[in-house]
Formats: sequence, structure tokens, C-alpha cells
Amino acid sequence: QKEVEQDPGPLSVPEGAIVSLNCTYSNSAFQYFMWYRQYSRKGPELLMYTYSSGNKEDGRFTAQVDKSSKYISLFIRDSQPSDSATYLCAMSALRNSGGSNYKLTFGKGTLLTVNP
Amino acid sequence: EAQVTQNPRYLITVTGKKLTVTCSQNMNHEYMSWYRQDPGLGLRQIYYSMNVEVTDKGDVPEGYKVSRKEKRNFPLILESPSPNQTSLYFCASSLTFPPGSGISSGNTIYFGEGSWLTVV
Repeated sequence: QKEVEQDPGPLSVPEGAIVSLNCTYSNSAFQYFMWYRQYSRKGPELLMYTYSSGNKEDGRFTAQVDKSSKYISLFIRDSQPSDSATYLCAMSALRNSGGSNYKLTFGKGTLLTVNP
Repeated sequence: EAQVTQNPRYLITVTGKKLTVTCSQNMNHEYMSWYRQDPGLGLRQIYYSMNVEVTDKGDVPEGYKVSRKEKRNFPLILESPSPNQTSLYFCASSLTFPPGSGISSGNTIYFGEGSWLTVV
């Protein structure tokens, strides 16, 4: 089983729809959970981050983490054509216990298209 | 403006011809890393550096070398490129590691624009 699983899509929705993007993971050592957005031919940019179970909201975006189920989600409300991008989940854990060297593991990304 | 700058952005080269992809950041970040991104495989880390003269292998280091002689620069070297190194490469930097901790104070990972490399 891969450490991080993410449905690659593609996902196509009409403007204004609520979008749900999801990742599952198998490594219970993951401590930090992030969502990155990557526009075509650009580098990923951090969208949201959290480290605890529960919801975190930022404008139209809500990040949700369920550590007991090893499941994270990103919800986009009132989606806009400018939200069309690939969304990558990412998680970090210590490489070795007792150290401070963390490893960041990415999901493969979900391609989202929001149609006007 | 905070920037991670990679060069070249696009390159077609031949098998076996040594090449270097440069990466420079202007944020005085300690941590820098290289990733490659391939369809169906996502982003995979090649090498990373916790600070000057401190480098270590990531998940897919075979066929690559790096050096960190100065804080701002972290070049990726392909000594003898092969077609399976055709990929999109990203350099990234952050103030410290782990990414995500202290993020409210700005400790996020910044990615470069990417370098499209084709080896024929």
C-alpha cells in the first residue's frame, strides 16, 4: 500500500459547485498535513496546512483531517474557473525518531477543472 | 520578492552529456531540495540539503548529484543523463524544516517554476 493515495481525477465541475478533494494515508507517523495548488506549467504553492484532526477554514477553502481514519480532505466552496489546477496533498513525518529531519510525501495530485 | 529561480527552464539534451540545473533562492533559507514530477508518479524527492555542506539522498537519488557550497544555491547535476531522467524538475526551499511547523510565521516551502528536461 502506498503511503499516500490520491485520486488523480480528472474532476470537472460547474462554476459555483462545492468541490471535495481527498487523500488517504497509511503512515500513522505523519504529523503535518498540507494542500498545494499547482497551475499548469508552474511550481506548487502552499494552499493550506494543519497538524491536528478537525477542520480549518480559510475563505472558500476548508481543510479537514481525520487521523483516526487516516483521511484528509480539501473542500472548495463556490468554486471559480481560477480554481482550475492540480491539487496535491502532502504530509510530513520524521525520517528517524528522535531527530528533527522531516520527510515530505506528496500525493499524485487531482486535476480539477471548473467550467464557467 | 521571495523567489526560487531555476535555470534552464527548458532543455533538450543527448544521452551522456553532463548537465547542471541551477537553483537559487533569495530568502536566506536553510533548507533546499530537488524534486522530479512525472505523470502517474507525482512529486518525488531527489536530494535535499539542511544547510551549507549538508546534503542527503531523497527517494530517487540515482543518477543525480548535488552540492551546497553557498546557502542560496543548490545545483542539480546529471553526470551522464539517460532518457529515464526526462522529467519536470522542481527546486524548493524553506526557512527551516519541518515544513508546516511555524507556518503562521512564514515557514512555508517555496517552489521554483520548474525545469523541463528531455534526454534523447
